[in-house]
Amino acid sequence: QLQLQESGPGLVKPSETLSLNCTVSGGSLSSTIYYWGWIRQSPGKGLEWIGTIFYSGNTYYNPSLKSRVAISVDTSKAQFSLTLYSVTAADTAVYFCARRPMAAPGALHAFDVWGQGTVVTVSS
Amino acid sequence: QSALTQPASVSGSPGQSITISCTGTSSDVGNYNFVSWYQQHPGKAPKLIIFEVTNRPSGVSNRFSGSKSGNTASLTISGLQADDEADYHCCSYAGSSTVVFGGGTKLTVL
Repeated sequence: QLQLQESGPGLVKPSETLSLNCTVSGGSLSSTIYYWGWIRQSPGKGLEWIGTIFYSGNTYYNPSLKSRVAISVDTSKAQFSLTLYSVTAADTAVYFCARRPMAAPGALHAFDVWGQGTVVTVSS
Repeated sequence: QSALTQPASVSGSPGQSITISCTGTSSDVGNYNFVSWYQQHPGKAPKLIIFEVTNRPSGVSNRFSGSKSGNTASLTISGLQADDEADYHCCSYAGSSTVVFGGGTKLTVL
């Protein structure tokens, strides 16, 4: 079945750039009925949607993070990636990648498959 | 785009029913029937338990049910079990391919 796996550095220095990858296995990143997204969870807090990408490269971002975020996709590697610029301690969180159906027969606009999450700490 | 509002915590005894509310605005919860709910145990990834307001994915217990009235969506868990103790998060479509989450609710089974 479809599996998602996040990877990337667990420690990033303030003002630097956070880069994470999500590898998709057991399914196709090129499907026309799914978005692929990033969500994060700061310690002890709720979930925060970061952004979403379609296989064609169309992207959609949380307005509060839009100026610092970029999401890209590489279908040849079955990966999509998150880049977050100029990080601060407030960006310390568990980062999840997830699949989101955007057409039937999927669970429309719900995140139905998740990666296990990766912890990113911003500290000098 | 503001976060949806959920109570920080709710509690109930085994066998009882509880309801968790999720309040948004006419731009998200009130305007779309795309509210989803997630169960998250400590240290685990969230698990989808309700989508499109009322629908359950295959394999999710029928003790979980969802509803919506105006700008407020609700998750009801009936016949509480010890394993239901977890964090619950709501999420709504907010237009233009964006979504917004709630702050999460910690459920304690007494």
